[in-house]
Amino acid sequence: QQQVKQSPQSLIVQKGGISIINCAYENTAFDYFPWYQQFPGKGPALLIAIRPDVSEKKEGRFTISFNKSAKQFSLHIMDSQPGDSATYFCAALRTSGGYQKVTFGTGTKLQVIP
Amino acid sequence: NAGVMQNPRHLVRRRGQEARLRCSPMKGHSHVYWYRQLPEEGLKFMVYLQKENIIDESGMPKERFSAEFPKEGPSILRIQQVVRGDSAAYFCASSPPGQGAYGYTFGSGTRLTVV
Repeated sequence: QQQVKQSPQSLIVQKGGISIINCAYENTAFDYFPWYQQFPGKGPALLIAIRPDVSEKKEGRFTISFNKSAKQFSLHIMDSQPGDSATYFCAALRTSGGYQKVTFGTGTKLQVIP
Repeated sequence: NAGVMQNPRHLVRRRGQEARLRCSPMKGHSHVYWYRQLPEEGLKFMVYLQKENIIDESGMPKERFSAEFPKEGPSILRIQQVVRGDSAAYFCASSPPGQGAYGYTFGSGTRLTVV
């Protein structure tokens, strides 16, 4: 019940294209859904996040779409650039025992080719 | 303002040796979280600490692993008698009081290789 399923495992997109990464969850207690970007040799960095009372959030070229009834959320990267090549992790947070517990997806390795 | 500092960046240990991984949180952050990342996998929670207290160690293996966050100094993740399966990247994150996991900042990790 604590899993967050992420797909695809890897993705190749041409420069200028749209990258789409999907995540699904089961536990309705999750109340915050961040996406992290990780470059090789670095730690994950928060990219964008959404709460379940909102269906979409956009920051620059990055958009989260959230479907509460389907328990799915996705990251869209518009006008993908080679510099976006990284591994992307979705995550889901829930509060338990007075603090947040985080469950990460398994990651999507994105390669944007010129 | 330096970010979360982890050292060493790379650590090679022979089977049976001890590994000590250090994490200095960002200035003003009093919460530290340790995660393990295996190749092609996401991050797995290990332990959550506040100064001098272990809050949640539900993700820590029961044997050989321990963690501390003393009043002074960095947080330490200690792995005794390492085995090949301990080879992984270990990340710590810190957050300021009151933000919990909403305010994560990750370090660049320690890559442990057991030979």
